Amino acid sequence: AQTVTQSQPEMSVQEAETVTLSCTYDTSESDYYLFWYKQPPSRQMILVIRQEAYKQQNATENRFSVNFQKAAKSFSLKISDSQLGDAAMYFCAYRSFSGSARQLTFGSGTQLTVLP
Amino acid sequence: ETGVTQSPTHLIKTRGQQVTLRCSSQSGHNTVSWYQQALGQGPQFIFQYYREEENGRGNFPPRFSGLQFPNYSSELNVNALELDDSALYLCASSLARGAASNYGYTFGSGTRLTVV
Repeated sequence: AQTVTQSQPEMSVQEAETVTLSCTYDTSESDYYLFWYKQPPSRQMILVIRQEAYKQQNATENRFSVNFQKAAKSFSLKISDSQLGDAAMYFCAYRSFSGSARQLTFGSGTQLTVLP
Repeated sequence: ETGVTQSPTHLIKTRGQQVTLRCSSQSGHNTVSWYQQALGQGPQFIFQYYREEENGRGNFPPRFSGLQFPNYSSELNVNALELDDSALYLCASSLARGAASNYGYTFGSGTRLTVV
């Protein structure tokens, strides 16, 4: 079974600064997907960024980018030019490439606070 | 394009009772998954429905059951409620087939269930 670990329960960043959230995972599979989701107080999980394991290039979405290290099984999220609206709980998630259910396996989350 | 809608938003039940939670999937999505998110933790996969049949299940007892309807909406039923069932229940819809199926899930805002 796959596991996802987020070792930083809480992080804070000054507005306009850069912050990196850490995630490690354990799997025996070679093909899979990794995601970062954001959960604001509204409770809805919002997809921030996704990475296919077979792609060596790190994914980027505007101010959000990842550092994907497949051999180390590490998948960190970098938020540049942090904004007050970035404050939320961030979850790292794993999904198998194949299989009927292809469910998401989540980490325990990192609560990000953005300081004005 | 409508998102995922869940009802009710909040619910209080007594231990031993039964509860039904409802989810309307995003337009065009044919697969629905349910997750349980205990306070301060990441979501845990309960089960997934595709073509009105369960096609994957997490580590949850049989008193957690579900249905998917022809319009792809879904219900989560929990019998003999226990105090530990208190959690946020998230519904997520997706496409089971095709390239778009790799784009992750669209989540609803959840139902907060409190068992007293």
